[in-house]
Amino acid sequence: EVQLVESGGGLVQPGGSLRLSCAASGFTFSDHYMDWVRHVPGKGLEWVGRSRNKADGYTTEYAASVKGRFTVSRDHSKNSLYLQMNSLKTEDTAVYYCTRDVPYHPLDWGQGTLVTVSS
Amino acid sequence: DIQMTQSPSSLSASVGDRVTITCRASQGIRNDLAWYQQKPGKAPKRLIYAASTLQSGVPSRFSGSGSGTEFTLTISSLQPEDFATYFCLQHNSYPLTFGGGTKVEI
Repeated sequence: EVQLVESGGGLVQPGGSLRLSCAASGFTFSDHYMDWVRHVPGKGLEWVGRSRNKADGYTTEYAASVKGRFTVSRDHSKNSLYLQMNSLKTEDTAVYYCTRDVPYHPLDWGQGTLVTVSS
Repeated sequence: DIQMTQSPSSLSASVGDRVTITCRASQGIRNDLAWYQQKPGKAPKRLIYAASTLQSGVPSRFSGSGSGTEFTLTISSLQPEDFATYFCLQHNSYPLTFGGGTKVEI
């Protein structure tokens, strides 16, 4: 059974940093593209960033709104995906989901972790 | 960026109704489109991929159609568990973009 468990959310001040983690199990982690998607309360879904699979060199892509501030990475020894978020803004407040892509868009989603950026 | 315009943003329907939701892409995306259902406090669930392929385990009352710029999600006979918000997603080019969502209410 595929499981994706996010952690690391919380309250942070504008300009601060936070690192989200996603523990993955039930599939071969290196075989899959993995995404971060966020849901702003009362609004829609926004794709944040991607880590491609091993075959495609684990390269990354980002939404323009987070490029240069957020970094997606993996730790294969822990089967984990990360989202390092720096220079956080109030508009980054959202529930952040980790997804497993089959093949190039989300199939499985974690339960989400809430990030609140506020002073 | 490819803009996904989804309509309507909300609709009221009854059990047994046929419901149609539309997504229009600002440029052609072949059939690189998926539909998701989301209930309050829950993660989205993929219903349809490649515009018209039903995800395994999803009831056959859900169907998708379209290609290029116009796409439709149809629920042939609305059931109580179908009251939720529905989103389309294009994955033809970066950034991936979602439609604004359709809330299906009683």
